Amino acid sequence: GAVVSQHPSWVICKSGTSVKIECRSLDFQATTMFWYRQFPKQSLMLMATSNEGSKATYEQGVEKDKFLINHASLTLSTLTVTSAHPEDSSFYICSAPPWGTSGRSPYEQYFGPGTRLTVT
Amino acid sequence: GQQLNQSPQSMFIQEGEDVSMNCTSSSIFNTWLWYKQDPGEGPVLLIALYKAGELTSNGRLTAQFGITRKDSFLNISASIPSDVGIYFCAGRENSGGSNYKLTFGKGTLLTVNP
Repeated sequence: GAVVSQHPSWVICKSGTSVKIECRSLDFQATTMFWYRQFPKQSLMLMATSNEGSKATYEQGVEKDKFLINHASLTLSTLTVTSAHPEDSSFYICSAPPWGTSGRSPYEQYFGPGTRLTVT
Repeated sequence: GQQLNQSPQSMFIQEGEDVSMNCTSSSIFNTWLWYKQDPGEGPVLLIALYKAGELTSNGRLTAQFGITRKDSFLNISASIPSDVGIYFCAGRENSGGSNYKLTFGKGTLLTVNP
């Protein structure tokens, strides 16, 4: 239990275009999901908390108009990188607490496999 | 924001050796989690700790929640080549029951020589 998927696993786009990344909880409902960004050989940096039915909460320094988050259902959150530039190239990872999953604490987070974004 | 000090940054060991890494924080944490990340993949949860002093094992891995609630360590016994990867500690601060955000350490890169 507590499986999270992401799509696509990698994407290459041209500068100025927008890219949408999906995060799905496959066997549990996720009222909250988290979006992280990770640069090579660095730790995970929390970008925002995605909340089903309400606006996302962004961390300080993260542009909400550039990184649009939509928590469309209890199993799906999307991150759209708008007007992408080369400096947006990174590894984007989502996670979710396993609400309602037997034997698992809501304070744990289960991660998706990540999406590698390259902006040319 | 809150930073976790994770050490060592990297380790090069021989297969069969034991490994120890730790994390410390300046504030009290209610939850400590240890993750392993392989290249190009998302982190995988190894061990979760919820009580001060708690010692939990998962196969060859053992982790402890420090008594002061400001530190945690992870031990790997009898390392094997597939233990290679980056290990991250993560903690949840003592800021209320509705806080689910985690703070991550900078990671420990483990290399195991066969």
